[in-house]
Amino acid sequence: GENVEQHPSTLSVQEGDSAVIKCTYSDSASNYFPWYKQELGKRPQLIIDIRSNVGEKKDQRIAVTLNKTAKHFSLHITETQPEDSAVYFCAAMNQAGTALIFGKGTTLSVSS
Amino acid sequence: GAGVSQSPSNKVTEKGKDVELRCDPISGHTALYWYRQSLGQGLEFLIYFQGNSAPDKSGLPSDRFSAERTGGSVSTLTIQRTQQEDSAVYLCASSSGLAFNEQFFGPGTRLTVL
Repeated sequence: GENVEQHPSTLSVQEGDSAVIKCTYSDSASNYFPWYKQELGKRPQLIIDIRSNVGEKKDQRIAVTLNKTAKHFSLHITETQPEDSAVYFCAAMNQAGTALIFGKGTTLSVSS
Repeated sequence: GAGVSQSPSNKVTEKGKDVELRCDPISGHTALYWYRQSLGQGLEFLIYFQGNSAPDKSGLPSDRFSAERTGGSVSTLTIQRTQQEDSAVYLCASSSGLAFNEQFFGPGTRLTVL
């Protein structure tokens, strides 16, 4: 089945810097890759997603890139702010389209 | 409108007891998912319901876990003979049904097995 690896597990940046989180997946048939943000004690919330027919998607300070050949995708956050501090999870939809397989998460800390 | 709701928010039980966790999806959402989040870990898929189709139970970790969805809406996750390793946050999510559609998560039920 699908397996998703996520790096780094923790990331500390200064306010205004960029942050990059990387994920790899194992199933070449996966075609949907969302990113979720989970603040402490709260539910995960979708921040951006990408389908396999595009290589990059942007939404203001957030962007996601996908390399299907290498089976990896990345989240890029520019001009980080303290409120970006949270745990970020990448995920890949399984081949059956019935479940998201999540990475183990990256704890992002943005210091002012 | 109202989001996904779950009850109880917290559940403490003794090893060997059965527990039931409830999920109310967003009205009109045909797809419903259960995930488990252990401390410091990612979300682990448990089970998926879509309309009247047979559920995908491939993520259930043992036969002590079962789930049902009545009337295509509310879902109940049951854990029988709970073990300490079952302690986790159980999250429910719903979506409008297509595989690419956003999954909206509930607040979760924190289960502690003593």
